[in-house]
Amino acid sequence: QAVLTQPSSLSASPGASASLTCTLRSGINVGTYRIYWYQQKPGSPPQYLLRYKSDSDKQQGSGVPSRFSGSKDASANAGILLISGLQSEDEADYYCMIWHSSASVFGGGTKLTVL
Amino acid sequence: QVQLVQSGAEVKKPGASVKVSCKVSGYTLTELSMHWVRQAPGKGLEWMGGFDPEDGETIYAQKFQGRVTMTEDTSTDTAYMELSSLRSEDTAVYYCATDYNFDYWGQGTLVTVSS
Repeated sequence: QAVLTQPSSLSASPGASASLTCTLRSGINVGTYRIYWYQQKPGSPPQYLLRYKSDSDKQQGSGVPSRFSGSKDASANAGILLISGLQSEDEADYYCMIWHSSASVFGGGTKLTVL
Repeated sequence: QVQLVQSGAEVKKPGASVKVSCKVSGYTLTELSMHWVRQAPGKGLEWMGGFDPEDGETIYAQKFQGRVTMTEDTSTDTAYMELSSLRSEDTAVYYCATDYNFDYWGQGTLVTVSS
């Protein structure tokens, strides 16, 4: 079972909100990890969006709009990237990442379609 | 503002080695911890290794241990990643990225392994 699991795709309408999940493998407690989020558009390198561990331990990437925010769902053992007020330019691949056992681990990515 | 400029695309034969460079500007290399991440065509992100400032050592992903070497030339603020014993599955875009957040990314270097 992968350390981080993301749905392969998600569709949402302009102006709506999208909630992208990153589920940690059973036995790895989401509460103890900072969850990092990246956006990648075709032909470009990933861009750091934010990291979230708790409301007192979070960081927004430089220049990243506040409509991108992080949270957790402890009951689902998952990190969440919430994008509010969706715009066509938000259409991209989104990756989560954690540092686990001194190694960086990425989720498989979610392709977000805005239509 | 950190800028990372990587070397150009490479085509290598199976069994050969490749060395990719990543030049830093805006900061000095000693102020940063450099990591390397790769992305096979149409696939997700995969961390290869990087500098751990807490230990003062370079750590490599288990998958690449013995085949990858990451070095730095602080006189030119350039980081290097050398991957040996190349196989077709190593065809990918290789990125350098900074610090635990992976705040900043190079533009990527396409390495194609083909006979």
